[in-house]
Amino acid sequence: SQTIHQWPATLVQPVGSPLSLECTVEGTSNPNLYWYRQAAGRGLQLLFYSVGIGQISSEVPQNLSASRPQDRQFILSSKKLLLSDSGFYLCAWTFWTGLGETQYFGPGTRLLVL
Amino acid sequence: KQEVTQIPAALSVPEGENLVLNCSFTDSAIYNLQWFRQDPGKGLTSLLLIQSSQREQTSGRLNASLDKSSGRSTLYIAASQPGDSATYLCAVPSYNTDKLIFGTGTRLQVFP
Repeated sequence: SQTIHQWPATLVQPVGSPLSLECTVEGTSNPNLYWYRQAAGRGLQLLFYSVGIGQISSEVPQNLSASRPQDRQFILSSKKLLLSDSGFYLCAWTFWTGLGETQYFGPGTRLLVL
Repeated sequence: KQEVTQIPAALSVPEGENLVLNCSFTDSAIYNLQWFRQDPGKGLTSLLLIQSSQREQTSGRLNASLDKSSGRSTLYIAASQPGDSATYLCAVPSYNTDKLIFGTGTRLQVFP
């Protein structure tokens, strides 16, 4: 069965520190992978998506970057965190249900930048 | 540019009530619409997916309808229970891709 892992679950970081959030998928190959952010009181915002190793598309200009070093690994990074980077970060991948494509989400990482 | 809106933003109802959550989208050229559930501090769980050719989908006490021409979808929850308390999000794919555009969600609280 397919599963998606994210870690850490919770992270508290000072402003200006680096960031690395990891997402891994099991039970599938060559998935489309996504990073979303959910800021407090706001909807989900797509940050990055990847259709394959080394292929990253950015949806919004920001302080973050993403990388896909392996087929089932997607990493979200920052060199220097800002207060506005606080939020709930979700990784997702697309799969076919028979009725159409849907996205399956990981458990998320809650990031608090102080 | 596709925009997705959900109303109400929050809803609090007593257990047993039937309720309707609304989702509106500005561009009717979608090929499906999905409803998700998000429990506090957790990831999203897909509830229902409706293809553009369908008018509704049902799963247990949940029924989702889709009216593409008017740019609307509703999620009907029958006989609500405290365990239904969560945030409900609708999402549509951006044109010709599988990237999802989400509404801001409806936070539902069902009290005993």
